[in-house]
Amino acid sequence: EADIYQTPRYLVIGTGKKITLECSQTMGHDKMYWYQQDPGMELHLIHYSYGVNSTEKGDLSSESTVSRIRTEHFPLTLESARPSHTSQYLCASTDASSGTGGTEAFFGQGTRLTVV
Amino acid sequence: GEDVEQSLFLSVREGDSSVINCTYTDSSSTYLYWYKQEPGAGLQLLTYIFSNMDMKQDQRLTVLLNKKDKHLSLRIADTQTGDSAIYFCAERSAGYSTLTFGKGTMLLVSP
Repeated sequence: EADIYQTPRYLVIGTGKKITLECSQTMGHDKMYWYQQDPGMELHLIHYSYGVNSTEKGDLSSESTVSRIRTEHFPLTLESARPSHTSQYLCASTDASSGTGGTEAFFGQGTRLTVV
Repeated sequence: GEDVEQSLFLSVREGDSSVINCTYTDSSSTYLYWYKQEPGAGLQLLTYIFSNMDMKQDQRLTVLLNKKDKHLSLRIADTQTGDSAIYFCAERSAGYSTLTFGKGTMLLVSP
């Protein structure tokens, strides 16, 4: 059973506001990821982390930042939201000890962000 | 870098079989995965196959892997309306901990 949670599920916010999307997992997974999913369905990896105090940029350049102070928590922050940030954001985590080669990714429900 | 390609859309009638295809470029892929995304939800792992296998069957799902052609397929037997979703193919290369996803195939099942 996957235990990874994202809040909020939906967010509508004005341009220029600072926002933080929360992601928490209770499975003790070391690796966590943020994906941006555009309306055309494609997933783009924007940030990932191998563990506490580790953060890396993904394949798609993003103006967002992340932090990993605790294993279970991987928040994503936008300092100044813009309409171009409107998208679905999906958080995921992987367990290195799982039977699927260590990379069965468990996903949160996603945050649908709309910047007006 | 690695690339994973899928057809974008598939429409079938309830009770028919569905076949979703995927191609990938990385010859060092070790695991290949199929994920399902229902509307408004995150992705859920459906099944996976290790690169030294040709086929894997799990109830209504059959995964076929042609490693020579770098082609992966997912067959859903007796497709139901509840199978309507987006299906993502993903691969992991040896030595990498991140997954590379395809763009997703939207499966629409009509009654």
